[in-house]
Amino acid sequence: GAGVSQSPRYKVAKRGQDVALRCDPISGHVSLFWYQQALGQGPEFLTYFQNEAQLDKSGLPSDRFFAERPEGSVSTLKIQRTQQEDSAVYLCASSPQVGSGRAFFGQGTRLTVV
Amino acid sequence: AQRVTQPEKLLSVFKGAPVELKCNYSYSGSPELFWYVQYSRQRLQLLLRHISRESIKGFTADLNKGETSFHLKKPFAQEEDSAMYYCALVASGGSYIPTFGRGTSLIVHP
Repeated sequence: GAGVSQSPRYKVAKRGQDVALRCDPISGHVSLFWYQQALGQGPEFLTYFQNEAQLDKSGLPSDRFFAERPEGSVSTLKIQRTQQEDSAVYLCASSPQVGSGRAFFGQGTRLTVV
Repeated sequence: AQRVTQPEKLLSVFKGAPVELKCNYSYSGSPELFWYVQYSRQRLQLLLRHISRESIKGFTADLNKGETSFHLKKPFAQEEDSAMYYCALVASGGSYIPTFGRGTSLIVHP
């Protein structure tokens, strides 16, 4: 594809439900980032992959959050037992090489927990 | 740890007026600074980066290490500049994970 693709674009989950958010990065991009963006705030870092290796998960807010990128391309962010405070836009970004610093963003998944 | 501060949540100007969106950072090493922009209903995209020293859509930004600032400027604002602007920092030699400010909403009135 031409850019980073995220699905679904919108997700409504009942509190306690598990959700899975998908990210298709630009083909060949080595680095992949997940961010959480609450209303009126900037993107907050969640986790970082270099190829299939999860090098930094310091931003994951709790052990209910889990991310994977098993083959170094598509990534999935999973949230177990969703809570209302998990409601946010989840952004995925990829970068062509380590150290480039430039990130290409997807359109995000808006998660609403009711 | 690095931090990016954008003190203004909202900046409202008239068309043709000069614009300056403020960005201050804290980082003990040598940073790379970026400005990202998000137009209505579009994805976040890179506007410019300090190492390129370029002007994009009439915007420029100069890294001032003494003041730890990277303010975004444009001499004459246009209505199409209305958007959310985010300043971001990457710690060179570190994990290269961009850290973002909270963003400034720029509204340019006709």
